[in-house]
Amino acid sequence: KAGVTQTPRYLIKTRGQQVTLSCSPISGHRSVSWYQQTPGQGLQFLFEYFSETQRNKGNFPGRFSGRQFSNSRSEMNVSTLELGDSALYLCASSSGTSGISGELFFGEGSRLTVL
Amino acid sequence: GNSVTQMEGPVTLSEEAFLTINCTYTATGYPSLFWYVQYPGEGLQLLLKATKADDKGSNKGFEATYRKETTSFHLEKGSVQVSDSAVHFCALSDREDSSYKLIFGSGTRLLVRP
Repeated sequence: KAGVTQTPRYLIKTRGQQVTLSCSPISGHRSVSWYQQTPGQGLQFLFEYFSETQRNKGNFPGRFSGRQFSNSRSEMNVSTLELGDSALYLCASSSGTSGISGELFFGEGSRLTVL
Repeated sequence: GNSVTQMEGPVTLSEEAFLTINCTYTATGYPSLFWYVQYPGEGLQLLLKATKADDKGSNKGFEATYRKETTSFHLEKGSVQVSDSAVHFCALSDREDSSYKLIFGSGTRLLVRP
């Protein structure tokens, strides 16, 4: 079974630009979550989508948004990039309805550098 | 709110040494507990899990026991290998309605020398 796939793996943007990251979950998984990882703040929850609906949202500004498509693939978007948005963005999938509560399967991440 | 605290790193050990990485949590209710591992340049991999008090999770020689009385989930391994060098994260599941999210500790870097 293929794992969680994230694209692109690396990208460089400048302040003020926007970026879109993509995530394909494990086949059959309907829940996709996004996390931001930085050296200073560690791993922080961004949001979770299930069946194209946002079910949960972390404490991030409105510049961070996401969506999920009918095939469960998800995208997250960050607008008006700031230097502090430089981070590893991790996508994780789960069945969302059964199994071990909170057990997530992570992709390798998209490393965003903002100059 | 719920939180996870784990020991500061780095932890540096010689191969075949005994490992303990401390993790304590604060939570309402009874969350599931996890250890995830991150190798350089990679995402997170689930190492082991426990879903209720006194459960012991184990995998690849690593073990952790869900201790409700001490709100702890310490990671142990009897004999570490160089290949265990990575950042280890303790996490708990936080439930809001039907949605779960993971709350992570700050991570502990483990370096095993040959």
